[in-house]
Amino acid sequence: GAVVSQHPSWVICKSGTSVKIECRSLDFQATTMFWYRQFPKQSLMLMATSNEGSKATYEQGVEKDKFLINHASLTLSTLTVTSAHPEDSSFYICSASAVSSYNEQFFGPGTRLTVL
Amino acid sequence: RKEVEQDPGPFNVPEGATVAFNCTYSNSASQSFFWYRQDCRKEPKLLMSVYSSGNEDGRFTAQLNRASQYISLLIRDSKLSDSATYLCVVNEANDYKLSFGAGTTVTVRA
Repeated sequence: GAVVSQHPSWVICKSGTSVKIECRSLDFQATTMFWYRQFPKQSLMLMATSNEGSKATYEQGVEKDKFLINHASLTLSTLTVTSAHPEDSSFYICSASAVSSYNEQFFGPGTRLTVL
Repeated sequence: RKEVEQDPGPFNVPEGATVAFNCTYSNSASQSFFWYRQDCRKEPKLLMSVYSSGNEDGRFTAQLNRASQYISLLIRDSKLSDSATYLCVVNEANDYKLSFGAGTTVTVRA
C-alpha cells in the first residue's frame, strides 16, 4: 500500500516551454501533497505544500506564478513549470500524506527535468 | 544556518564493517526524526524513525540526543546493498513539513 506515482519520469524540453508533472496516490487518499526539488548533491528542498481543493502554500523564494500547483482531487496533484529555463533543470519529487498517517510522507519516484 | 546538517562523506567501508555517522538539527522544537535512504537518481525511502530511547532495526541502530540536537545512524555488518545516500530528516510538532539534510554517502566495497 501507500504507492505514489509520478509522470513523466523524465522530460527534456526547450527553453521557454511549459512542463506539467503529475503526482498520483494510487491506493490512498492524499489530503496533502508536497513538491520538492533536488539539485545534484544537495538536499531535497520543499517548494510547496498543497491541500486538496485549496491554494498551495509556497516556500520562501519559490515563485508561485512560475510553478503552478493544482490539487484538484484527493489522488492527483500537478506541478507545471511555466516558461522553463536551464536553471530549472532538476529532480522534482512529490510526496503525499493521508489523514491517517500523521507525519508519514510517501514519495513518488521523481521526475528528472532537463531544459535545453 | 541549515536546519539539518550532515557530513556528506563519502564513507568507504569494506563488507562486514560497522559505519556510523551523525546529523545535527537547529530547531530545538523539532519533534520527529527519521533516516531515509536514497539511491542514485531515485526517490527517498524511509529507513527508520528515530525515537527518544533509541531504536534498532536489524543491522541499523538510530539514536537521538535532544540535549545536543543530533541524531545518529549506525550500520553493523555492512552489505554491498547498503551503499546509498542516507538522509537525515526532521520535522516540528504539528507541522507536516519535513526538513532534509543533504545526505551522507556510504559506499560498501567487496
